[in-house]
Amino acid sequence: DADVTQTPRNRITKTGKRIMLECSQTKGHDRMYWYRQDPGLGLRLIYYSFDVKDINKGEISDGYSVSRQAQAKFSLSLESAIPNQTALYFCATSDSRQGMNTEAFFGQGTRLTVV
Amino acid sequence: RKEVEQDPGPFNVPEGATVAFNCTYSNSASQSFFWYRQDCRKEPKLLMSVYSSGNEDGRFTAQLNRASQYISLLIRDSKLSDSATYLCVVTRRSNYQLIWGAGTKLIIKP
Repeated sequence: DADVTQTPRNRITKTGKRIMLECSQTKGHDRMYWYRQDPGLGLRLIYYSFDVKDINKGEISDGYSVSRQAQAKFSLSLESAIPNQTALYFCATSDSRQGMNTEAFFGQGTRLTVV
Repeated sequence: RKEVEQDPGPFNVPEGATVAFNCTYSNSASQSFFWYRQDCRKEPKLLMSVYSSGNEDGRFTAQLNRASQYISLLIRDSKLSDSATYLCVVTRRSNYQLIWGAGTKLIIKP
C-alpha cells in the first residue's frame, strides 16, 4: 500500500460543484502539502500544514480551502469548481525532524477535470 | 523572477550520451537542494540530494555552486529509462519550505 494515498484518483465535475480531495498518510510525518501541477508551470503550492493546528496559504490558495483533520489526514476542497481548476493535484508529506534534509513524499495524484 | 528557474527543454539526447542541465535559484539563504524525477503523469520522486562538495550516485552527478547560485545535474551513459522531467528543489532556511522549479524535460532517443 502507498504511504501517501489520495482519493479520488480521477474526477470529472461540473462548474459550480463543491468537491473534496482527500489525502492520508502512514509515514507519521507532521508536514503536509497540497500542490497543483499544470503543463509548463511545475508544482504550485496551494496550502500547507506544519502540524494539525497550523494551516498556511500557499501561492495559489484562492478558490481552495483545506482541513487537517488529524496528523495523518489533509483534505483539499474546491468550494465552487471552475474550469481553470482543471489540473493534476498532488498531496505531499515531509518530516520536520529531518531538518534541512527533509524529503517530500507524494501521493499518486488526483486528475481533476471541471467541465 | 521565479525563485527557482529551470530550462524547460525538452533536451533530446541519443542513448549513451552525456547530458547536463542547470537550475538557478534567487534566494541566497536557500538551505538545501535536491533533484527529483517525475515520469509522465506520475508523482515526483527524490533522485538525489545535492551537497556542497558535489555528489555522485551511479551515472548521476550533482553539483552546487553557491557563489553563482545554481545547481547542476549530469547524467552519463544515458538510458532510455532516463526519459523524464527533472525537478530542481531548494529549501528556505527559515522554515525548510520546499520551492520547486518547473522542471526540465529529458527525452533519450534510441
